[in-house]
Amino acid sequence: NAGVMQNPRHLVRRRGQEARLRCSPMKGHSHVYWYRQLPEEGLKFMVYLQKENIIDESGMPKERFSAEFPKEGPSILRIQQVVRGDSAAYFCASSPLRDNSPLHFGNGTRLTVT
Amino acid sequence: AQSVTQLGSHVSVSEGALVLLRCNYSSSVPPYLFWYVQYPNQGLQLLLKYTTGATLVKGINGFEAEFKKSETSFHLTKPSAHMSDAAEYFCAVSDNTGTASKLTFGTGTRLQVTL
Repeated sequence: NAGVMQNPRHLVRRRGQEARLRCSPMKGHSHVYWYRQLPEEGLKFMVYLQKENIIDESGMPKERFSAEFPKEGPSILRIQQVVRGDSAAYFCASSPLRDNSPLHFGNGTRLTVT
Repeated sequence: AQSVTQLGSHVSVSEGALVLLRCNYSSSVPPYLFWYVQYPNQGLQLLLKYTTGATLVKGINGFEAEFKKSETSFHLTKPSAHMSDAAEYFCAVSDNTGTASKLTFGTGTRLQVTL
């Protein structure tokens, strides 16, 4: 069984470019969470999505960041006009239900902004 | 609001020695508590979780943790460290309402195991 798949594993962008991070949840999971890990810090919640719906985006920066989880295809975290402070590891996690089912994490996408 | 404090960003133990990683939480509602492990360049893997019931929770790889409400703690222990235990460990809390899998993480403790 494939776990949570994230791609790319590493992404390098110049300041001002756009970054698109993809996440395919585990089979049978309809809930997706995005977390950001800054160097030497823990993971910070960004957004929680179900298919075609954003449930909780309280951790998303107000500008430049957006997320979607379409009916078909992976969840996408999009960062427009990236800045150096966006450099971090971005993790996607999925769960089957909206309860305390443990999250299953992907291996992350490491974004470097030059 | 919930929060997690992990005392000690780095812990070093000898192989075969006791591992103790500390976690204290703050929550306005009965919490659900988790420990995750992260190996280099990988995602997080669940070690164990506490939701309700027995306060001593056993997890994978010989780890266990005890929920102590009076001390608001959920320390992680392992009787005998192995070299393969070297990794970063994160304690996390979620509330038991609504978006229950929305976790608040501590800043992590990096465990080093020496010969």
